Amino acid sequence: RKEVEQDPGPFNVPEGATVAFNCTYSNSASQSFFWYRQDCRKEPKLLMSVYSSGNEDGRFTAQLNRASQYISLLIRDSKLSDSATYLCVVTPGADSWGKLQFGAGTQVVVTP
Amino acid sequence: EAQVTQNPRYLITVTGKKLTVTCSQNMNHEYMSWYRQDPGLGLRQIYYSMNVEVTDKGDVPEGYKVSRKEKRNFPLILESPSPNQTSLYFCASSIGRQSSYEQYFGPGTRLTVT
Repeated sequence: RKEVEQDPGPFNVPEGATVAFNCTYSNSASQSFFWYRQDCRKEPKLLMSVYSSGNEDGRFTAQLNRASQYISLLIRDSKLSDSATYLCVVTPGADSWGKLQFGAGTQVVVTP
Repeated sequence: EAQVTQNPRYLITVTGKKLTVTCSQNMNHEYMSWYRQDPGLGLRQIYYSMNVEVTDKGDVPEGYKVSRKEKRNFPLILESPSPNQTSLYFCASSIGRQSSYEQYFGPGTRLTVT
């Protein structure tokens, strides 16, 4: 079983709609959680960190559910420019401060 | 401009011919890391470095070497490349000594080993 799992999609979303997807992680000791965005095999870029209390950045909302070991990302009022692959990223825990684990990504396609 | 640079961006080589992919950052970052990205597998960490002269294995270190003699540079060395090392490689850096800070990625190096 992969350490970090994501639904690969694609999620086909009409412009203006809301889309949400999850990422599950297997290590209950995982410390830090992030969503990165990657456009068409370019370099990933940080979208947002995910805090225990959840956080919102404009149209993007991230949530963490430690009990069920998943994080989620919700995109409201989708724009064409939101089309990308969203990577879930997890740091394994206190004994692995240098390690970082990526999900394989969820592809989102926003259509006119 | 703050950035992470990688060279070369594209490389086609033959099995067994040693190669080095350079990575350099100009942000005075402590932490640097190498990843490979393959379809369906996502990014997998090869090696990371939390400081000068401090390197450690990631999840897929076999067939790779790294060194961190200077803070800004973190080259990836393939002593004897094989076709299964054909991949897209990313170098990244972050301000902290741990992986729990924002990672800044280089533009990637597409390597093909024939």
